[in-house]
Amino acid sequence: DAGVIQSPRHEVTEMGQEVTLRCKPISGHNSLFWYRQTMMRGLELLIYFNNNVPIDDSGMPEDRFSAKMPNASFSTLKIQPSEPRDSAVYFCASSLRDRGYFGEGSWLTVV
Amino acid sequence: AQSVAQPEDQVNVAEGNPLTVKCTYSVSGNPYLFWYVQYPNRGLQFLLKYITGDNLVKGSYGFEAEFNKSQTSFHLKKPSALVSDSALYFCAVRDEGNTGKLIFGQGTTLQVKP
Repeated sequence: DAGVIQSPRHEVTEMGQEVTLRCKPISGHNSLFWYRQTMMRGLELLIYFNNNVPIDDSGMPEDRFSAKMPNASFSTLKIQPSEPRDSAVYFCASSLRDRGYFGEGSWLTVV
Repeated sequence: AQSVAQPEDQVNVAEGNPLTVKCTYSVSGNPYLFWYVQYPNRGLQFLLKYITGDNLVKGSYGFEAEFNKSQTSFHLKKPSALVSDSALYFCAVRDEGNTGKLIFGQGTTLQVKP
């Protein structure tokens, strides 16, 4: 299996632009998680899905952030409009029961 | 609510010496505990987990962890550190329910010096 696949790996964008991050979970996994990692706040859970349904989005910072999982093999995290404070590494992870499998992350810089 | 704490921001150890990275947990039921490692510019990689059974859990790359219920600890250990073990280590506990949601500690940077 190829593991969790995230794209883009790196993105530099201007403040105010829309950013879309993509994730393909491991086939057969029924839970998907979006995390954000920064030096200041560490690893934060933004949202997670179970069987494609959002279960807990309490970690989503504000209305500028939205996430979707239209099917079992694809999820997006969208930031609109982006701000410099959104600069971080965004990780997607999937799991079947217990341990999570992480992607390599999307490194976002908003200038 | 479930939580984990990693009391050390950084651990320094000389190559060849034993290493310990500390983690304590707080759970309302049976703990499901994990260790992950993150190398620079990479995602998190699973090292090992404790679900039930033996208190000493063996994992990847020669790491092991000791579950101690009385001290509510799950310290990561390795008998002989390598320079290549230098990385960021995360302890995590599975949240209540069965969705696989993990709650992570703040992370501990391990520096192994030659």
